[in-house]
Amino acid sequence: DQQVKQNSPSLSVQEGRISILNCDYTNSMFDYFLWYKKYPAEGPTFLISISSIKDKNEDGRFTVFLNKSAKHLSLHIVPSQPGDSAVYFCAASAGGTSYGKLTFGQGTILTVHP
Amino acid sequence: NAGVTQTPKFQVLKTGQSMTLQCAQDMNHNSMYWYRQDPGMGLRLIYYSASEGTTDKGEVPNGYNVSRLNKREFSLRLESAAPSQTSVYFCASTGTQSSYEQYFGPGTRLTVT
Repeated sequence: DQQVKQNSPSLSVQEGRISILNCDYTNSMFDYFLWYKKYPAEGPTFLISISSIKDKNEDGRFTVFLNKSAKHLSLHIVPSQPGDSAVYFCAASAGGTSYGKLTFGQGTILTVHP
Repeated sequence: NAGVTQTPKFQVLKTGQSMTLQCAQDMNHNSMYWYRQDPGMGLRLIYYSASEGTTDKGEVPNGYNVSRLNKREFSLRLESAAPSQTSVYFCASTGTQSSYEQYFGPGTRLTVT
């Protein structure tokens, strides 16, 4: 039972264009969402997060949008750069006694072409 | 400040052998986690330790044991390795119960033949 799903295994984008990565979840108890970036042979690194009380959070070129009614979040990268090529994971937490426990999606491989 | 460190980086085991994966963090974090990453599966939580002296099962705990040796160290043990445990293992930590941002180590690539 995959509670967090990233249905696109891969995404290819031209440098300078927008990258949109999508994530869906099924557990209505999730109230905090994160995006992680992972390069080969390295551990994931935190990118950006959003609380369920918000519908948008920005950090430089990265913006995360949350649509609670659709149980959907997306990560926008504008403009995309070749260095953004990596695997992107979305993750969710239910708070409460689940503090710190994250449920991850399967990941999306982003390739940004020069 | 090394963050989260893991040893070894690579390991090959034969079926039935045992081994312990080591993890340490120098950020004075309370909570620590062990994940495994398999192709197409994302990261799945094996065990976690909300604070020193406590450990709890995650999503896929079967075949593993853990020890929170002190606040810095959290080890993962495979008592009798199986080919299904071939994976990349990541350790992570987070500072407080109200913090969701986890810091990850570089991973251990384990192959069981």
